[in-house]
Amino acid sequence: DAKTTQPTSMDCAEGRAANLPCNHSTISGNEYVYWYRQIHSQGPQYIIHGLKNNETNEMASLIITEDRKSSTLILPHATLRDTAVYYCIATNYGGSQGNLIFGKGTKLSVKP
Amino acid sequence: DAGVIQSPRHEVTEMGQEVTLRCKPISGHNSLFWYRQTMMRGLELLIYFNNNVPIDDSGMPEDRFSAKMPNASFSTLKIQPSEPRDSAVYFCASSSFRVNYGYTFGSGTRLTVV
Repeated sequence: DAKTTQPTSMDCAEGRAANLPCNHSTISGNEYVYWYRQIHSQGPQYIIHGLKNNETNEMASLIITEDRKSSTLILPHATLRDTAVYYCIATNYGGSQGNLIFGKGTKLSVKP
Repeated sequence: DAGVIQSPRHEVTEMGQEVTLRCKPISGHNSLFWYRQTMMRGLELLIYFNNNVPIDDSGMPEDRFSAKMPNASFSTLKIQPSEPRDSAVYFCASSSFRVNYGYTFGSGTRLTVV
């Protein structure tokens, strides 16, 4: 799996967009970018994933650069409940191959 | 769907005792994963199963750890004998081959070995 690099921590004001960056410069052509988050004391929660195209769902948007070496997770209107550790993972199909390896992630603090 | 169900939520045991953690995956999911989380080491993949068959147990720390999946709706992670360094939160997750919506994690079991 490609190594990913994320900032250790970020702050965001409530109601503003939270933009969480991730670098994955060694990503290979068949590796997806997955995002999960872990709210304190809970299990990780799947947010979104993508291969090449930008993706959007009810939780967030994922912007992947054209060269696929980096991506940004966007929470359009952050709330206090979005305070969590966010993990960016680059892996080939992570549905069944057991290669979802979590790094240290970014601790996002949403402040009132 | 009730999601991935783990039991117990909390377990406190004495060193040397056997501990069994239980997991019920989401119905219809083909893969099941056991993770361990500590402050020092973060989230570690211990073992995973596809269609009830163990595929990779290279993350299991020692022979004291064992995992089984006797059927598609139940898995156990056993530690025998337990040691204080096994204290951690243990998560179970499941996923589907057919629909890639990532892994669904349970709420975890917080294990304390004293």
